[in-house]
Amino acid sequence: DAKTTQPPSMDCAEGRAANLPCNHSTISGNEYVYWYRQIHSQGPQYIIHGLKNNETNEMASLIITEDRKSSTLILPHATLRDTAVYYCIVRVLTGGFKTIFGAGTRLFVKA
Amino acid sequence: DAGVIQSPRHEVTEMGQEVTLRCKPISGHDYLFWYRQTMMRGLELLIYFNNNVPIDDSGMPEDRFSAKMPNASFSTLKIQPSEPRDSAVYFCASSPTSGGVSYNEQFFGPGTRLTVL
Repeated sequence: DAKTTQPPSMDCAEGRAANLPCNHSTISGNEYVYWYRQIHSQGPQYIIHGLKNNETNEMASLIITEDRKSSTLILPHATLRDTAVYYCIVRVLTGGFKTIFGAGTRLFVKA
Repeated sequence: DAGVIQSPRHEVTEMGQEVTLRCKPISGHDYLFWYRQTMMRGLELLIYFNNNVPIDDSGMPEDRFSAKMPNASFSTLKIQPSEPRDSAVYFCASSPTSGGVSYNEQFFGPGTRLTVL
């Protein structure tokens, strides 16, 4: 079973920030938080990952709470092309790749 | 870089037939993964390889499924005999190791949509 909980769907206006929450209250000390997204009919795409510090790259920002029990993926200026299913995953960095994808959050970006 | 290449993109076959799905990982990646995606079960990891060696095949549904990786640039997923419940999109992904550590940044192929009639 997935170790994360995400809302099934969210809406966001084009040009606004999209904030996607994820709950991972049972995360272990050596587990990282990863985010992927899947645009309709394509393979999932890696977005970002982090351990405990906030992370930012060209696609998004990842904010992890101090207790690491939840995180938020932020798309700063959502576009219509960001409409996709977003998956939050927790797993160890090394020693195995049993990545479990849950149901994810279906983000609808509206014009 | 061409990315992960999968073939065929679409496959329609009849129940009982053998199906072979193919994957070419990104050059230099030493991890390869096979996933299956359906509406009912979502995205499931079937098996993954490290340096051409199967590491965890616990997700393979049953003996009708088999996967091989004869070299670093090619892998196959075979279903024999196929059944209608095998209908799904099958994704292949690869992942690199840098400095002895892999960050699980998996790069997915476009998938093969399999329909078993």
